[in-house]
Amino acid sequence: EAGVAQSPRYKIIEKRQSVAFWCNPISGHATLYWYQQILGQGPKLLIQFQNNGVVDDSQLPKDRFSAERLKGVDSTLKIQPAKLEDSAVYLCASSSVRLAVYNEQFFGPGTRLTVL
Amino acid sequence: AQSVTQLGSHVSVSEGALVLLRCNYSSSVPPYLFWYVQYPNQGLQLLLKYTSAATLVKGINGFEAEFKKSETSFHLTKPSAHMSDAAEYFCAVGPFGNEKLTFGTGTRLTIIP
Repeated sequence: EAGVAQSPRYKIIEKRQSVAFWCNPISGHATLYWYQQILGQGPKLLIQFQNNGVVDDSQLPKDRFSAERLKGVDSTLKIQPAKLEDSAVYLCASSSVRLAVYNEQFFGPGTRLTVL
Repeated sequence: AQSVTQLGSHVSVSEGALVLLRCNYSSSVPPYLFWYVQYPNQGLQLLLKYTSAATLVKGINGFEAEFKKSETSFHLTKPSAHMSDAAEYFCAVGPFGNEKLTFGTGTRLTIIP
């Protein structure tokens, strides 16, 4: 079974530029998560989708971050314009939806963003 | 709100020695607790989870953790450290179901040959 795929793996941009990250979840997983992991900290949830609907985006800085999952499969996370403090690893995770059981989140390798 | 605190951002142990990584949680409802491992330049991998069944949970790679409600702890242990255990370890708490995980700040484990 293929895991969660993310691209690019690394990205370096200058502040005020735009950047986009792509995630392909495990086939059949209805729930998709984007986490931000700043160096020295644990991952923090930015947004959670179930199919193509947003479940939780309470910690997404909506003035500069946006995310979509148009067909309920792949997802794109965008930052526009980027700030220095956006330097982090962006992790995508997915899980299935089965009632009354715990559904494990599977993580991709992440995209390391450096903003200069 | 739920949160976890990991005590010790860096832990060093000798190869073959006991590994003990500490995690304390705060939750107003019965929590689900997790330990994840992250190797350099890789994503997170689930080591083990507590989902209100047995309080002693066994995971992959010889790790185990014990849920102690009276101490609000979920410490991770391994009897004998291997060089391959060198990585960053994250404790996390989450409610039941497909909801967000709240992670601790991580503990970097170094194994001394």
